[in-house]
Amino acid sequence: NAGVTQTPKFQVLKTGQSMTLQCAQDMNHEYMSWYRQDPGMGLRLIHYSVGAGITDQGEVPNGYNVSRSTTEDFPLRLLSAAPSQTSVYFCASSYSGLPTYGYTFGSGTRLTVV
Amino acid sequence: AQTVTQSQPEMSVQEAETVTLSCTYDTSENNYYLFWYKQPPSRQMILVIRQEAYKQQNATENRFSVNFQKAAKSFSLKISDSQLGDTAMYFCALGSGANSKLTFGKGITLSVRP
Repeated sequence: NAGVTQTPKFQVLKTGQSMTLQCAQDMNHEYMSWYRQDPGMGLRLIHYSVGAGITDQGEVPNGYNVSRSTTEDFPLRLLSAAPSQTSVYFCASSYSGLPTYGYTFGSGTRLTVV
Repeated sequence: AQTVTQSQPEMSVQEAETVTLSCTYDTSENNYYLFWYKQPPSRQMILVIRQEAYKQQNATENRFSVNFQKAAKSFSLKISDSQLGDTAMYFCALGSGANSKLTFGKGITLSVRP
């Protein structure tokens, strides 16, 4: 049981490049989300999904796209990377609706945009 | 909208002593959950303890306990017998609503001194 797997762990991009951060979970969780963590800002919600085919925006969605074609996978796409997107990105999942047992987090991706 | 406030950016405690981390929150929901997460230097997000709002009894997990004051919307974390391995950033989080979104505070950096 791998839990939530994020790849890559580290990435350096040039301004304007695009890339996809991968997230996969093997716990049959319906709910998945992407957060970014910046110093002094805590974790802020980018996008989330309550099930396959359903996604919605969080607090800071601009510059990011998501899709959810399967229960297991929830990739985050950076369309045209900007230095302001330098951050640590976390994918998280939970079983259902109310977060009764909290989230299971991936190990994070440290992204640097130069 | 729901908010979580952690007003202390950092704290320090002597090994074996007790420390309390503060958190206040705001939500219009009646049914919600509160969490404390630990983030050590490894960057992994680790669930420390959770509290269900409809339960008056404060949650306890070994050396970790909470003081949940629902009317005051306060949710503090007490760490007893502090250990060097408790050195980490700690995040308070609130989850409510059917879409399972978690809102995080900005975090507090705890240092345990030998």
